[in-house]
Amino acid sequence: GNSVTQMEGPVTLSEEAFLTINCTYTATGYPSLFWYVQYPGEGLQLLLKATKADDKGSNKGFEATYRKETTSFHLEKGSVQVSDSAVYFCALMSTGTASKLTFGTGTRLQVTL
Amino acid sequence: NAGVTQTPKFQVLKTGQSMTLQCAQDMNHNSMYWYRQDPGMGLRLIYYSASEGTTDKGEVPNGYNVSRLNKREFSLRLESAAPSQTSVYFCASSEYWGPRPQHFGDGTRLSIL
Repeated sequence: GNSVTQMEGPVTLSEEAFLTINCTYTATGYPSLFWYVQYPGEGLQLLLKATKADDKGSNKGFEATYRKETTSFHLEKGSVQVSDSAVYFCALMSTGTASKLTFGTGTRLQVTL
Repeated sequence: NAGVTQTPKFQVLKTGQSMTLQCAQDMNHNSMYWYRQDPGMGLRLIYYSASEGTTDKGEVPNGYNVSRLNKREFSLRLESAAPSQTSVYFCASSEYWGPRPQHFGDGTRLSIL
């Protein structure tokens, strides 16, 4: 079946540090890949997505590249801010399961001054 | 600018009580979803409605029922609440059934004693 594995958190960084959150997946077919962000007390918001191999999704300074050869979709940001503190979820949607999203367990990011 | 609205935001129940969680979206989306979020487990799909008039089981449907009341509204019912159903519940919607991003509500935090 489909699965998503994320690095365990929490990840604690100083402001302006470089961020990488690892995500690897197992899926049938050719999945679409997503990163969602959840701020405290709120629902999940779509951060970025990629629908085919070698696509790069980007938004708000975050980037992730769909790597089919390594089945990965790592999230990166060059310079994090305190306002980026949140929980980040990697997710996939497989053509074999239509609109059903499979989520990773989430990685909490805490950015300090 | 409401998007997906869930009510209530918080609820405490006793074991065996029943309750309905409400969800409404104002984006004219065709598909709607109910998830539960538990620590260390990401989000898991309970039920979904690909279009008005249809509902289907997700990954963890036991103990729940749903009703797609109309295109806007999708409710989740716990007939006899159990402590194992203590969780944060999220409703989501997407434009249509397929690889489209899902938009989430802010969640309902449910505790069952």
